[in-house]
Amino acid sequence: AQSVTQLDSQVPVFEEAPVELRCNYSSSVSVYLFWYVQYPNQGLQLLLKYLSGSTLVESINGFEAEFNKSQTSFHLRKPSVHISDTAEYFCAVSDSGGSNYKLTFGKGTLLTVNP
Amino acid sequence: KAGVTQTPRYLIKTRGQQVTLSCSPISGHRSVSWYQQTPGQGLQFLFEYFSETQRNKGNFPGRFSGRQFSNSRSEMNVSTLELGDSALYLCASKPGQGAWYEQYFGPGTRLTVT
Repeated sequence: AQSVTQLDSQVPVFEEAPVELRCNYSSSVSVYLFWYVQYPNQGLQLLLKYLSGSTLVESINGFEAEFNKSQTSFHLRKPSVHISDTAEYFCAVSDSGGSNYKLTFGKGTLLTVNP
Repeated sequence: KAGVTQTPRYLIKTRGQQVTLSCSPISGHRSVSWYQQTPGQGLQFLFEYFSETQRNKGNFPGRFSGRQFSNSRSEMNVSTLELGDSALYLCASKPGQGAWYEQYFGPGTRLTVT
């Protein structure tokens, strides 16, 4: 069975500081990896995803994540955060083969950006 | 394109009652998934429907059920409500069944059981 561990439940940072949100997964098969973001009182939005190819993937708003197969990690980073990045971030994994398309989520990391 | 819509947005029910939640996917999307979100357990997968058939199911009791109609709209039903069923229920749609598709989430239905 798959599982996702987000090591930090809360991460407070100051505006313009760098941030890393950690995600580790366990799976016995090849996987697809996703980061979703949830702003207050809204549903989830896809931030970025790794399907195949380059292990470094980027979003349009400056976030990036690197797939590390040997460490089974998919950490999310941003070199300089803004107040508007305050939200909850969820890492998720899905099998890339077979017929089990279920998305398994981590418990989320609440990123709070302070002025 | 209109996003995923969920009705109602808020619901208060009494223990023992049943409830039906509705989800309208993005036009053209044929896959609909349901998730339960709680502060303690996070996001947990309930089930996925594709072409009116349940394709995947999470580890929830039989009190939780769902269905999908020919226009891809989906409903989920919870019978004999318990206090622990209080949660935000999220619906997500995607164009096909493949895991590589992005899931588009609705705003959720917040269910409170008293």
